[in-house]
Amino acid sequence: EPEVTQTPSHQVTQMGQEVILRCVPISNHLYFYWYRQILGQKVEFLVSFYNNEISEKSEIFDDQFSVERPDGSNFTLKIRSTKLEDSAMYFCASSLTGDAYEQYFGPGTRLTVT
Amino acid sequence: GQNIDQPTEMTATEGAIVQINCTYQTSGFNGLFWYQQHAGEAPTFLSYNVLDGLEEKGRFSSFLSRSKGYSYLLLKELQMKDSASYLCAVRDKGGATNKLIFGTGTLLAVQP
Repeated sequence: EPEVTQTPSHQVTQMGQEVILRCVPISNHLYFYWYRQILGQKVEFLVSFYNNEISEKSEIFDDQFSVERPDGSNFTLKIRSTKLEDSAMYFCASSLTGDAYEQYFGPGTRLTVT
Repeated sequence: GQNIDQPTEMTATEGAIVQINCTYQTSGFNGLFWYQQHAGEAPTFLSYNVLDGLEEKGRFSSFLSRSKGYSYLLLKELQMKDSASYLCAVRDKGGATNKLIFGTGTLLAVQP
């Protein structure tokens, strides 16, 4: 069964550094998402991406964050100048269409900012 | 604002039935989803309701009442492996956005 993959599984970085989280969505999917989950808290929407542009972003997704689809398979989340409060599990998800009822989630990248 | 409420924790016995409730108040509504999440893992899709009524899928069923802003997930013949968090999520609009708004999740402990 096709699946969303994410690398790395765990990233440790120092405060102020930049990190890039990578995702490979399911190959025929057209809509891509990033969510985050701070330990013990709920899953929060960050951004949705379609047709090579952001379709919606939350208030969390400020200028510190950016997304890119650099080639036909990867979808990346860049976090500049990381802060302690950016420590969380970051999930990538994809769906076939915008109205597809199922979003498939990747296994997540645990980001730890020290 | 967007608000989705679920009980924080529930306990049930192996072989029994458990119902996990979810109430929501969102600016729009275009479907309600239930996901299962084991500790440290990704959410996995369980069910979807967009019209009122009951959707059955094996041991799992989900119910929706749009007028009441209410849903429940029913798990039958509980197994130990069903111990997990169950996340209620609302899609507030369709189209290119398709974002999911999640509740805090209900941690279900299944005991022998």
